[in-house]
Amino acid sequence: AQSVTQLDSHVSVSEGTPVLLRCNYSSSYSPSLFWYVQHPNKGLQLLLKYTSAATLVKGINGFEAEFKKSETSFHLTKPSAHMSDAAEYFCVVTPRGGFQKLVFGTGTRLLVSP
Amino acid sequence: GAVVSQHPSWVICKSGTSVKIECRSLDFQATTMFWYRQFPKQSLMLMATSNEGSKATYEQGVEKDKFLINHASLTLSTLTVTSAHPEDSSFYICSASRQEGQPQHFGDGTRLSIL
Repeated sequence: AQSVTQLDSHVSVSEGTPVLLRCNYSSSYSPSLFWYVQHPNKGLQLLLKYTSAATLVKGINGFEAEFKKSETSFHLTKPSAHMSDAAEYFCVVTPRGGFQKLVFGTGTRLLVSP
Repeated sequence: GAVVSQHPSWVICKSGTSVKIECRSLDFQATTMFWYRQFPKQSLMLMATSNEGSKATYEQGVEKDKFLINHASLTLSTLTVTSAHPEDSSFYICSASRQEGQPQHFGDGTRLSIL
Protein backbone atom coordinates (compact mmCIF):
# COMPACT_ATOMS: atom_id res chain seq x y z
CA ALA A 1 0.00 0.00 0.00
CA GLN A 2 1.09 3.53 -0.64
CA SER A 3 0.27 6.78 1.08
CA VAL A 4 1.53 10.30 1.51
CA THR A 5 1.28 12.58 4.50
CA GLN A 6 1.45 16.31 4.07
CA LEU A 7 2.38 17.57 7.47
CA ASP A 8 0.93 21.07 7.20
CA SER A 9 -2.55 21.97 6.02
CA HIS A 10 -1.55 25.65 5.73
CA VAL A 11 1.78 27.40 5.33
CA SER A 12 2.07 31.20 5.45
CA VAL A 13 5.12 33.06 4.18
CA SER A 14 6.01 36.59 3.20
CA GLU A 15 6.87 37.43 -0.37
CA GLY A 16 10.59 36.96 -0.96
CA THR A 17 11.10 34.46 1.87
CA PRO A 18 11.79 30.72 1.46
CA VAL A 19 9.04 28.16 1.08
CA LEU A 20 9.06 24.67 2.63
CA LEU A 21 6.14 22.29 2.11
CA ARG A 22 6.62 18.96 3.83
CA CYS A 23 5.69 15.53 2.54
CA ASN A 24 6.38 12.05 3.91
CA TYR A 25 5.53 8.93 1.99
CA SER A 26 4.95 5.27 2.65
CA SER A 27 5.39 2.73 -0.11
CA SER A 28 5.78 -1.02 -0.41
CA TYR A 29 7.80 -0.59 -3.60
CA SER A 30 10.20 1.97 -4.94
CA PRO A 31 7.96 4.95 -5.52
CA SER A 32 7.63 7.71 -8.03
CA LEU A 33 6.78 10.99 -6.33
CA PHE A 34 5.27 14.18 -7.66
CA TRP A 35 4.27 17.62 -6.57
CA TYR A 36 1.23 19.22 -8.21
CA VAL A 37 -0.12 22.74 -7.78
CA GLN A 38 -3.78 23.71 -7.97
CA HIS A 39 -4.97 27.29 -8.28
CA PRO A 40 -8.58 28.09 -7.24
CA ASN A 41 -11.20 26.39 -9.41
CA LYS A 42 -8.52 24.97 -11.66
CA GLY A 43 -7.11 21.56 -12.44
CA LEU A 44 -3.68 20.37 -11.40
CA GLN A 45 -0.36 21.36 -12.89
CA LEU A 46 2.70 19.17 -12.50
CA LEU A 47 5.51 21.03 -10.72
CA LEU A 48 8.11 18.27 -10.65
CA LYS A 49 8.57 14.52 -10.47
CA TYR A 50 11.01 12.02 -9.01
CA THR A 51 11.27 8.69 -10.79
CA SER A 52 14.65 7.24 -9.72
CA ALA A 53 17.32 9.46 -11.22
CA ALA A 54 18.85 12.36 -9.27
CA THR A 55 17.46 12.72 -5.76
CA LEU A 56 17.33 16.50 -6.07
CA VAL A 57 14.66 17.34 -8.58
CA LYS A 58 14.19 20.75 -10.14
CA GLY A 59 10.77 21.79 -11.35
CA ILE A 60 9.01 24.73 -12.86
CA ASN A 61 8.72 28.21 -11.36
CA GLY A 62 11.85 27.79 -9.24
CA PHE A 63 10.57 24.89 -7.13
CA GLU A 64 12.65 21.88 -6.25
CA ALA A 65 12.31 18.81 -4.07
CA GLU A 66 14.72 16.31 -2.57
CA PHE A 67 13.99 12.61 -2.29
CA LYS A 68 15.37 11.26 1.00
CA LYS A 69 14.84 7.54 1.27
CA SER A 70 16.23 7.31 4.81
CA GLU A 71 13.66 9.85 5.98
CA THR A 72 10.90 8.78 3.54
CA SER A 73 10.49 12.42 2.70
CA PHE A 74 10.01 14.50 -0.45
CA HIS A 75 9.79 18.09 0.75
CA LEU A 76 9.11 20.91 -1.70
CA THR A 77 11.16 24.10 -1.46
CA LYS A 78 11.58 27.43 -3.19
CA PRO A 79 14.20 30.03 -2.22
CA SER A 80 11.97 33.07 -2.62
CA ALA A 81 8.18 33.09 -2.61
CA HIS A 82 6.18 35.10 -5.11
CA MET A 83 2.60 36.24 -4.71
CA SER A 84 1.61 34.05 -7.65
CA ASP A 85 2.77 30.97 -5.73
CA ALA A 86 -0.28 31.17 -3.46
CA ALA A 87 -2.21 27.97 -4.22
CA GLU A 88 -2.90 24.44 -3.02
CA TYR A 89 -0.02 21.97 -3.34
CA PHE A 90 -0.41 18.20 -3.48
CA CYS A 91 2.25 15.57 -2.88
CA VAL A 92 1.51 12.42 -4.88
CA VAL A 93 2.94 8.89 -4.91
CA THR A 94 2.61 6.06 -7.40
CA PRO A 95 4.52 2.82 -8.07
CA ARG A 96 7.75 3.55 -9.93
CA GLY A 97 7.38 3.37 -13.65
CA GLY A 98 3.65 3.75 -13.44
CA PHE A 99 1.62 6.92 -13.54
CA GLN A 100 -1.58 5.10 -12.83
CA LYS A 101 -3.41 5.12 -9.51
CA LEU A 102 -1.99 8.37 -8.26
CA VAL A 103 -2.34 8.58 -4.49
CA PHE A 104 -2.76 12.16 -3.33
CA GLY A 105 -1.87 13.77 -0.05
CA THR A 106 -4.42 15.98 1.65
CA GLY A 107 -2.84 19.14 0.30
CA THR A 108 -1.09 22.18 1.75
CA ARG A 109 -2.44 25.65 1.15
CA LEU A 110 0.35 28.15 0.64
CA LEU A 111 -0.47 31.71 1.60
CA VAL A 112 1.88 34.48 0.50
CA SER A 113 1.63 37.92 2.07
CA PRO A 114 3.13 41.11 0.65
CA GLY B 1 2.11 20.46 -24.98
CA ALA B 2 -0.62 18.24 -23.65
CA VAL B 3 -3.85 20.12 -23.19
CA VAL B 4 -6.94 18.66 -21.61
CA SER B 5 -10.19 20.57 -21.88
CA GLN B 6 -13.11 19.98 -19.55
CA HIS B 7 -16.62 21.27 -20.19
CA PRO B 8 -18.64 22.76 -18.64
CA SER B 9 -16.56 24.51 -16.01
CA TRP B 10 -19.55 25.19 -13.81
CA VAL B 11 -23.06 23.73 -13.80
CA ILE B 12 -26.03 24.29 -11.53
CA CYS B 13 -29.08 22.10 -11.88
CA LYS B 14 -32.10 20.80 -10.06
CA SER B 15 -32.15 17.62 -8.05
CA GLY B 16 -33.15 14.62 -10.14
CA THR B 17 -31.62 15.76 -13.41
CA SER B 18 -28.70 14.13 -15.17
CA VAL B 19 -25.55 16.06 -15.93
CA LYS B 20 -22.91 15.23 -18.52
CA ILE B 21 -19.32 16.42 -18.21
CA GLU B 22 -16.92 16.18 -21.14
CA CYS B 23 -13.18 15.69 -21.04
CA ARG B 24 -11.20 16.18 -24.24
CA SER B 25 -7.53 15.80 -25.02
CA LEU B 26 -6.93 18.59 -27.53
CA ASP B 27 -3.50 17.87 -28.93
CA PHE B 28 -2.86 14.21 -28.19
CA GLN B 29 -4.62 10.88 -28.23
CA ALA B 30 -5.49 9.60 -24.78
CA THR B 31 -5.88 5.87 -24.44
CA THR B 32 -6.53 6.27 -20.72
CA MET B 33 -8.60 8.88 -18.92
CA PHE B 34 -9.28 9.27 -15.22
CA TRP B 35 -12.11 10.88 -13.31
CA TYR B 36 -11.57 12.37 -9.86
CA ARG B 37 -13.82 13.95 -7.32
CA GLN B 38 -12.70 16.66 -4.94
CA PHE B 39 -14.67 17.84 -1.93
CA PRO B 40 -14.08 21.33 -0.56
CA LYS B 41 -10.68 21.73 1.06
CA GLN B 42 -9.91 18.05 0.48
CA SER B 43 -7.73 16.02 -1.80
CA LEU B 44 -8.62 14.30 -5.05
CA MET B 45 -10.26 10.90 -4.91
CA LEU B 46 -10.03 8.67 -7.96
CA MET B 47 -13.48 7.60 -9.09
CA ALA B 48 -12.71 5.53 -12.16
CA THR B 49 -10.23 4.77 -14.90
CA SER B 50 -11.40 4.47 -18.47
CA ASN B 51 -9.60 3.01 -21.44
CA GLU B 52 -10.73 3.85 -24.94
CA GLY B 53 -13.17 1.31 -26.26
CA SER B 54 -13.64 -0.63 -23.04
CA LYS B 55 -15.65 -0.39 -19.86
CA ALA B 56 -14.44 1.87 -17.10
CA THR B 57 -12.88 0.45 -13.95
CA TYR B 58 -14.50 1.98 -10.89
CA GLU B 59 -12.89 2.43 -7.51
CA GLN B 60 -14.43 0.77 -4.50
CA GLY B 61 -17.45 2.63 -3.24
CA VAL B 62 -18.19 4.45 -6.50
CA GLU B 63 -21.58 3.57 -7.96
CA LYS B 64 -21.14 2.75 -11.64
CA ASP B 65 -24.85 3.18 -12.35
CA LYS B 66 -24.75 6.61 -10.76
CA PHE B 67 -21.61 7.82 -12.48
CA LEU B 68 -21.68 6.64 -16.09
CA ILE B 69 -18.39 6.89 -17.92
CA ASN B 70 -17.97 6.61 -21.66
CA HIS B 71 -14.64 6.72 -23.49
CA ALA B 72 -15.75 6.27 -27.07
CA SER B 73 -12.80 7.89 -28.79
CA LEU B 74 -9.13 8.60 -28.18
CA THR B 75 -9.86 12.25 -27.46
CA LEU B 76 -13.13 12.23 -25.54
CA SER B 77 -14.42 10.78 -22.30
CA THR B 78 -17.70 11.73 -20.65
CA LEU B 79 -18.94 11.43 -17.10
CA THR B 80 -22.70 11.48 -16.62
CA VAL B 81 -24.04 11.97 -13.12
CA THR B 82 -27.47 10.38 -13.28
CA SER B 83 -30.41 11.56 -11.19
CA ALA B 84 -28.15 13.99 -9.38
CA HIS B 85 -28.83 14.92 -5.77
CA PRO B 86 -27.33 17.62 -3.54
CA GLU B 87 -24.80 15.16 -2.09
CA ASP B 88 -23.36 14.79 -5.60
CA SER B 89 -22.34 18.44 -5.54
CA SER B 90 -18.58 18.53 -5.85
CA PHE B 91 -15.63 19.48 -8.04
CA TYR B 92 -15.00 16.85 -10.71
CA ILE B 93 -11.63 16.71 -12.46
CA CYS B 94 -10.54 14.56 -15.35
CA SER B 95 -7.07 13.65 -16.50
CA ALA B 96 -5.73 11.96 -19.59
CA SER B 97 -2.61 10.07 -20.53
CA ARG B 98 -1.33 8.89 -23.87
CA GLN B 99 -0.99 5.34 -22.62
CA GLU B 100 -0.44 3.39 -19.44
CA GLY B 101 2.70 4.48 -17.71
CA GLN B 102 2.63 7.96 -19.20
CA PRO B 103 2.04 11.13 -17.17
CA GLN B 104 -1.50 12.32 -16.52
CA HIS B 105 -2.54 15.76 -17.77
CA PHE B 106 -5.39 17.39 -15.91
CA GLY B 107 -8.38 19.38 -17.03
CA ASP B 108 -9.48 22.52 -15.20
CA GLY B 109 -12.36 20.74 -13.48
CA THR B 110 -16.13 21.10 -13.36
CA ARG B 111 -17.92 22.51 -10.35
CA LEU B 112 -21.27 20.77 -10.02
CA SER B 113 -23.94 22.26 -7.77
CA ILE B 114 -27.21 20.41 -7.30
CA LEU B 115 -30.05 22.40 -5.79
